[in-house]
Parts: sequence; structure tokens; C-alpha cells
Amino acid sequence: DIQMTQSPSSLSASVGDRVTITCQASQDISNYLNWYQQKPGKAPKLLIYDASNLETGVPSRFSGSGSGTDFTFTISSLQPEDIATYYCQQYDNLQITFGQGTRLEIK
Amino acid sequence: EVQLVESGGGLVQPGRSLRLSCAASGFTFDDYAMHWVRQAPGKGLEWVSGISWNSGSIGYADSVKGRFTISRDNAKNSLYLQMNSLRAEDTALYYCAKAKAVAGTIAIFDYWGQGTLVTVSS
Repeated sequence: DIQMTQSPSSLSASVGDRVTITCQASQDISNYLNWYQQKPGKAPKLLIYDASNLETGVPSRFSGSGSGTDFTFTISSLQPEDIATYYCQQYDNLQITFGQGTRLEIK
Repeated sequence: EVQLVESGGGLVQPGRSLRLSCAASGFTFDDYAMHWVRQAPGKGLEWVSGISWNSGSIGYADSVKGRFTISRDNAKNSLYLQMNSLRAEDTALYYCAKAKAVAGTIAIFDYWGQGTLVTVSS
């Protein structure tokens, strides 16, 4: 199985800060990497798919990059409503795994 | 508007069975692959199983292989998860998720239900 190592596990930042989360795959997954946001008590929400494609309706302050084994998720200017847990997820031939999650808090 | 409504969760004893359902609306159900994803209390997300639009491609996580069976009824716009030989570690909120594409291998989850809670305990 492909393992996803997501870091950091938690992060505290100020409104307006640039925030970066990384995800590393245990083997080459091309660009089959998605990012989700989950707020407490809510279902996850798709933000970025195939490493760098912004889902329709998602604010442009969210972005993703990477390919192969190393991926990055960025919030260019943190907003109060971005407080949530973020997950990366890879899909490789129906063996799908999520990262452990990054809990984002406001400083 | 896309809606996914899960049902069938509840409290069940270890070793027993449970069948989850997901009723879909607001999109052409048989155009898309569907998946189940679970989340244990206070934990992260875990993919459980996925099925292509025509049931021709099906996959399971190793943790449920041989115990869980995914199926769909396109005439009823419904997805199912038959869970047998349940264990305490299967306790979780089970989400139904729509894939962004028809192929079962394209696991981009663009819509999610609100989940149904399964508790396995004696």
C-alpha cells in the first residue's frame, strides 16, 4: 500500500499568513493527489484535485503543487474561516489512502 | 443540487452484520463511480471501498476485504455497503462520496454525505 506522510500534524498561524502543508507519498503517484478541508462536525470538502486543479467555487487563495512523491498545499493569506483540518489523499489504481491530517488553528 | 443521504447505521454487537445505504439525488447517478469513506471518532479519514458506474470495477481497503461488500442499484439511485463480521475497530462515521468521474479508479471525491454512525460494541 502507498503510505502518505503529511506534515505538520498541527499548525498555528495568524490571519493573513501564508500557510503550507506538505504530503509525501511512499512511491510515485504521478499527480493523483487531492486535498480536502474538514471543519468540525462536517463532511470533508474537496479543494484541490490532481495536485494542482482548484475545484469549482473554491477561493483562489488555496493552491496545490507537486508530482511524483512530493506535494504542497498552500493558503496564500489565511482567513478565519479556514480553520479546519486538511487532508491529502492519493488514488492509485483503487488503493486509496489519506494523509494523517493537519489541524490548522488561528494564533 | 447534489444530495447524498446515508442510512442504516447503529449499534451492533461484534461479529454481527449491518447494511448501509446511500440515497443519491441531483445528478445522473449511473454516470459516476461511488465510494465509502469512514472516520473513527476523533481520527482521520479512511477509504473503505469504491465501485465504478457499472459495477465493473470494485475495490476494498485491506482492513475490510472479505468482510464488506459494496454494491449499487442504478435504477434506485442507491449505493450500499454490506458489512459482515463487524469488529470494534469498524466503529466510525461512514460517509458516502461521489467520484468526479465514471471510472472507479478516479477517486476524486467531489460530494459527500453527512455520514451514518456505526458503533460496534457488546
